[in-house]
Formats: sequence, C-alpha cells, structure tokens
Amino acid sequence: AQSVAQPEDQVNVAEGNPLTVKCTYSVSGNPYLFWYVQYPNRGLQFLLKYITGDNLVKGSYGFEAEFNKSQTSFHLKKPSALVSDSALYFCAVRDGSDYKLSFGAGTTVTVRA
Amino acid sequence: ETGVTQSPTHLIKTRGQQVTLRCSSQSGHNTVSWYQQALGQGPQFIFQYYREEENGRGNFPPRFSGLQFPNYSSELNVNALELDDSALYLCASSPGQTNTGELFFGEGSRLTVL
Repeated sequence: AQSVAQPEDQVNVAEGNPLTVKCTYSVSGNPYLFWYVQYPNRGLQFLLKYITGDNLVKGSYGFEAEFNKSQTSFHLKKPSALVSDSALYFCAVRDGSDYKLSFGAGTTVTVRA
Repeated sequence: ETGVTQSPTHLIKTRGQQVTLRCSSQSGHNTVSWYQQALGQGPQFIFQYYREEENGRGNFPPRFSGLQFPNYSSELNVNALELDDSALYLCASSPGQTNTGELFFGEGSRLTVL
C-alpha cells in the first residue's frame, strides 16, 4: 500500500519569504515522488519529481524539493515566494512497481503582498 | 504538441442518470488514467487503460467503467449516478504502461449530481 500525508491544510507566507510545503510518504517499494500545483477550477500542473539520484531536485517556477529517505519526506521549497505562487499543492507517490499515483489531501498556499 | 483535452468541462445530472466523459491523450501517449477529485480532497485513482485494456483499478464500484480507443482517447462512464459522484474528474496520459515519469493532466470535467 502507498500513501501520502500533507500535515498542513494551509500555509501562509509573505512575498519574498521562503516557502515550505511538507509531505511524508509510505510505500513498500522504491518511492517515485511528485509535486503538482492546481489553480482554481483547473487541472494539475507538474512541478517536479524524484525518481533516483540527487536528493535535491529542482523543478518549474523556482521550486525545489528534498528527498529524505530516513524521514520518508519530500518537502517542497521555494527560497523567495511570489503572490502568483498562491495555489493548491499536491504531493503524490507511486510505488516503483505500481501504476497509480496516490495523492495527499493538498496544501493551500497563500502568499500575501 | 497537443496536451490532454477533456469534454465536457461542466455538466449537471440527476441521481440515477448515466454520464460519459471524454478524454484525448497527449500526442504520443498510449496510457490513460482517470482520477476523481471530490471537493477539498486530493485526486483518487479510478482506473488506467493501456492499449485499449484496463490494467489497473482503484476502489471504485463496477458502475464506473471505461473505454480506450485505438487512437488512445478514452471515455469514463458512470451509471446510476449518486450525489457523492459530484466531483472533478481528471484524465491523465503518459507515454508508457508503467513509467517513472509524471502524468500529464487535462483540465477536468466537473460533474454535479442533483
């Protein structure tokens, strides 16, 4: 079985400050980890993924995420948040041998000017 | 390159009716999966189609069914609609049956059941 937990329903930061969105996962095999962003009434847009290799992965729009195997975490980060980063963020995991993505419940990010 | 497209974007049905949602996969992608996103929740996997056959299914009842066509487009059919079926239905495509890459999502079809 595979699952994802996003412990924060909401994250609020001021523009220009660092942004962190937390994610922990559980899989029985090798984890393939993803972050997606969703704007109101829209589909999901891919931000970044970890499959193997360097624990720090860089993605779209200045986002990055760090894979931590011992803590089973994959937190999303951005050094300097923008108002336009305000959206709903989903962490997702796939067990390496599986075909489906399991999503967390999502974290709403609000960046105030 | 054309992305994933879904139709209709919005629709309203009443309990007991049937609905068909459609999806055109991204060019070059032969695998399509469907997800249900209820209000305030993350997407939940319904099923996946690869080369016109269902090859994976989530915890959804048999009244949720699908098809994939030779051009890799897909349909999601839901019979005997219930109020809890109200959700955003997302179609996603990918270039392989099981791959390490990301899924490419459409904008979704928002279904309201009254």
